[in-house]
Amino acid sequence: AQSVTQLGSHVSVSEGALVLLRCNYSSSVPPYLFWYVQYPNQGLQLLLKYTSAATLVKGINGFEAEFKKSETSFHLTKPSAHMSDAAEYFCAVLSGANNLFFGTGTRLTVIP
Amino acid sequence: NAGVMQNPRHLVRRRGQEARLRCSPMKGHSHVYWYRQLPEEGLKFMVYLQKENIIDESGMPKERFSAEFPKEGPSILRIQQVVRGDSAAYFCASSPPNGGPYEQYFGPGTRLTVT
Repeated sequence: AQSVTQLGSHVSVSEGALVLLRCNYSSSVPPYLFWYVQYPNQGLQLLLKYTSAATLVKGINGFEAEFKKSETSFHLTKPSAHMSDAAEYFCAVLSGANNLFFGTGTRLTVIP
Repeated sequence: NAGVMQNPRHLVRRRGQEARLRCSPMKGHSHVYWYRQLPEEGLKFMVYLQKENIIDESGMPKERFSAEFPKEGPSILRIQQVVRGDSAAYFCASSPPNGGPYEQYFGPGTRLTVT
C-alpha cells in the first residue's frame, strides 16, 4: 500500500525566507505524488503533481518539488515566502487505482 | 466555469438525526470522490462514484453511511443516526472522464457538527 509522511506539523518562516515542507513516501510501485494547499475554511487546491516525468516539478505560486527516489522524498520548496503562503499544505500519493492517500498536513506560518 | 459546489457549507445535527451532504461536480466531470477530514488530520478517502455507479467504497464505514451519484442531480453523502464522532469536514472532489484520480478538483467542504 502507498502512504506518505509529513515531517513537522507546524513550520514558521520569515517573509522572504526559504520555505521547505517535507514529505516522505512509501510505495511498492512507482508513485504518483501531489502537493495540495488548503486555506482556512476552503477546499484543497492542487499545487503540483509528479507523474513519473521530470523529477523537478514546478507548480503554481512559485512552488516546486523534487522527486528523489533514493531518499523516498518529495519535499516542497519556495525560494521566498510571502504572507499569502500561510496555509495548510498536504502531501498525497495515489493509493490503489482510485484515490489519494493524504499526509496529516503541515501548517505554514509566515512571520512579517 | 463554476468549480465543485458543496452544500450546505455548515451543518449542525443532533445525535441520532440524519445528515445529507450534497456535491455538484464541475461541468463536464463525471467522477466524484468523497473524503473526510477529522480535526488535525489529513483527508481520508471514503468513496468513488461515477454516474449511477459506486466504483470503490473501500473507505466507507460499514454502517450508517451511504453515497449515490444519480443520473441527474448532485452526488449525495448520507449519514444516518449521526454520532459525535461523525463531526468532521467532508470534502467532495470531481474529475473529468479521462482525468481519473490524478486530476481531482476539490469543493470547499461541508463542516458537520454533531451535538
